[in-house]
Amino acid sequence: GAGVSQSPSNKVTEKGKDVELRCDPISGHTALYWYRQSLGQGLEFLIYFQGNSAPDKSGLPSDRFSAERTGGSVSTLTIQRTQQEDSAVYLCASSWDRGKYNEQFFGPGTRLTVL
Amino acid sequence: AQSVAQPEDQVNVAEGNPLTVKCTYSVSGNPYLFWYVQYPNRGLQFLLKYITGDNLVKGSYGFEAEFNKSQTSFHLKKPSALVSDSALYFCAVRPMDTGRRALTFGSGTRLQVQP
Repeated sequence: GAGVSQSPSNKVTEKGKDVELRCDPISGHTALYWYRQSLGQGLEFLIYFQGNSAPDKSGLPSDRFSAERTGGSVSTLTIQRTQQEDSAVYLCASSWDRGKYNEQFFGPGTRLTVL
Repeated sequence: AQSVAQPEDQVNVAEGNPLTVKCTYSVSGNPYLFWYVQYPNRGLQFLLKYITGDNLVKGSYGFEAEFNKSQTSFHLKKPSALVSDSALYFCAVRPMDTGRRALTFGSGTRLQVQP
């Protein structure tokens, strides 16, 4: 079956512009996660959605970052007024996440470059 | 708060030799532990996980990891390395006993297998 997909694969933007990154999780997975992978920072958690529960936004670095998940499936991560330090690979993951803990499956990522 | 330490930025090993990639963790309560591998320009791929039960966990591609509670370690091992194992390896932890679902990752260890 299809894995987690993300679009675009690469995004180059100018400082101050807004960007939207999209994630399509594995069909039937109830949980969706966004992480950021940047040089010198490793992999850091951004936000987590589980079903209809309120999302865990504890990892968002500033109020310029937001995310939504429509219909319990597709998610969009929005970064407003991008800064150069936002340059990173943004990874999305999904999992079944019921009962015994199940591993997260990751997408290929979106490489964001802010000029 | 939880944390993961991967003390080696890079591990070099000759093909056919055993390999070990080290990981230690800190978490409140009992841990869920994971290893992921990342090939160039690819997302993270799940290798194996420790949930409960046997301390020796077997995973994909001949990898295994040993959970040691007293040493809070979860080292990744393989009896005979292949050149194709060369990649970036991440250890991750999540507390078993709280609602926080996001993974905390180590900084990664680059494995280089020489022919």
